[in-house]
Amino acid sequence: DTGVSQNPRHKITKRGQNVTFRCDPISEHNRLYWYRQTLGQGPEFLTYFQNEAQLEKSRLLSDRFSAERPKGSFSTLEIQRTEQGDSAMYLCTGTPNTGELFFGEGSRLTVL
Amino acid sequence: QQQVKQSPQSLIVQKGGIPIINCAYENTAFDYFPWYQQFPGKGPALLIAIRPDVSEKKEGRFTISFNKSAKQFSLHIMDSQPGDSATYFCAARGKLIFGQGTELSVKP
Repeated sequence: DTGVSQNPRHKITKRGQNVTFRCDPISEHNRLYWYRQTLGQGPEFLTYFQNEAQLEKSRLLSDRFSAERPKGSFSTLEIQRTEQGDSAMYLCTGTPNTGELFFGEGSRLTVL
Repeated sequence: QQQVKQSPQSLIVQKGGIPIINCAYENTAFDYFPWYQQFPGKGPALLIAIRPDVSEKKEGRFTISFNKSAKQFSLHIMDSQPGDSATYFCAARGKLIFGQGTELSVKP
């Protein structure tokens, strides 16, 4: 158990709907990353936070995607107007100062 | 320069065999090289990691060999077991760039 929890674990939605995923790292994880993983591929970096500051966003993160970490603790990833290509596993990691990434179980999105 | 290339894509060994998975990177600024193990439906779990100031690291049955001049590193699994059947990812820091993954099957 990495101490990183993600909710919901699985979300099925219709194309065009908005979805929001939540990640709760442990308190020592001052850095938080979001990754996306499609079947048969390695995780792809989306964005990361140092405490509450969003320091980097991948060009994979279109304007339909927004991530927040309002108090430097939990984070949310919202996808607006979902498309079938958004179907993937969305992974969150917490990272202490030592740099290791500890992944949550992921939130699987299926867009019909 | 941000890529991490992993091979092979899949690997089948007999129980007790020593699967070897290889990764190559390009960015010499990378300073941390972890391996992750992922079971179906689960998030990747950190298995073992190495920094470029050492050439080898062992933890239990898992060994990383690191060749800084060649910009390559590999994972060896000693005395592999069916329970080791999973997908393995190498990665490199900055923000962790992952390889494409290797699906390992260990036959009893």
